[in-house]
This record gives sequence, C-alpha cells and structure tokens, in this order.
Amino acid sequence: RKEVEQDPGPFNVPEGATVAFNCTYSNSASQSFFWYRQDCRKEPKLLMSVYSSGNEDGRFTAQLNRASQYISLLIRDSKLSDSATYLCVDYLNSGGYQKVTFGIGTKLQVIP
Amino acid sequence: EAQVTQNPRYLITVTGKKLTVTCSQNMNHEYMSWYRQDPGLGLRQIYYSMNVEVTDKGDVPEGYKVSRKEKRNFPLILESPSPNQTSLYFCASSLARSFNSPLHFGNGTRLTVT
Repeated sequence: RKEVEQDPGPFNVPEGATVAFNCTYSNSASQSFFWYRQDCRKEPKLLMSVYSSGNEDGRFTAQLNRASQYISLLIRDSKLSDSATYLCVDYLNSGGYQKVTFGIGTKLQVIP
Repeated sequence: EAQVTQNPRYLITVTGKKLTVTCSQNMNHEYMSWYRQDPGLGLRQIYYSMNVEVTDKGDVPEGYKVSRKEKRNFPLILESPSPNQTSLYFCASSLARSFNSPLHFGNGTRLTVT
C-alpha cells in the first residue's frame, strides 16, 4: 500500500462547482499535512496546511481526520484558474529523522 | 526575495557524462532535499539533508550523490547518468525543526539523458 494515496483523476468540473478531494495516509505517526498545488511542469507551491480542527482560506477548506487517516480539500465556486494538480503531503519528524511523502496528485480541470 | 534557485533549468546530456545540478537557498533553512518527478509516479525523494554535513538517502538514491558543505547549497551529482534518470528534478528547502514549516521548491531542472 502506498504511504499517501490520492485519486489521480482527472476531475473535470464546470466553473462554479464545488469539488472535494480526499487523500489517505498509512503512517499513523505522521505529524503534519499539507496541500500543494502544481501547475503543469512548474514547481509545487504550498496551498494550505491541514489542521485537525479544519482550516479555511477563502474558497478552500482543508480537513484532517486522524481516526480514519485521511485529509480532504474542498474547493467552492471553482474558477478556471483552479485548474492544476493538487498534491497531498504528509510529514514526519522523529529524533532528527524527517520524512516528507507526496501523493501522486489529483488533476483538476475546471471547464467553462 | 526568499527563494530556492536551481540551475540549469534544462539539460540534455549523453549517457555516462558526469553532471551537477546546483541548488541554493537564501532562507537559512536547515533542511534541503532533492526530488524527481515522473509521470504516474509523482514526486519521489532522492536525498535529503537535515543540516550541514548531514545527508541521508531518500526513496530513490541509486545513481545520485549529494553534498552539503554549506548551509545554503545542496548540489545533486550524477556521476554516470543513464537514460532512466531522464526526469524533472526539484530541489526544496524548509526549516527542519518546525512541524508546520512548508517546503519551498526551486523552479525545476528538466534533464534528458540520451
């Protein structure tokens, strides 16, 4: 089983739609989680950190469910500019050892 | 401006010809790492460094070397490149001791080995 699993998509959604992605992780010791956005052939950029209490940034909401070991990203009122690949990332730091694991990414295409 | 700088952006080389991809960050980050990204496989970690003179293997270290002689620089060395190392490479850095410190990525290096 992959350490971080995502549905690669693509998800094709109309402009204005609400879309949600899930990502599951296998290491219960993972401490932090992030969503990154990657545009075609460009570097990943941090979209948002993910907290157990849930966090919101404009149209984006991220949630962490430790009991079920998944994180989610919700995008409301999708814009054409939201078209990108969304990478789920988990982070573990233990006794000087640090491991950052990326999911394969979920591709979103917002269509007019 | 806080950034991670990789060079070159594009590199085409032949099998067996040693090459180095440079990576430099100006944010005084302890942690630096190298990833390769391939279609269908996502980002895979090659090597990482928690601080100067401290390096560790990631998930796919074979065929690569790194060094961390200074905090700001973390070059990736391919002693004898092979076609299966054709890929998109990213360098990244972050604060090592912070659980919530995100990774800052360089612009990427697209390597083709013929």
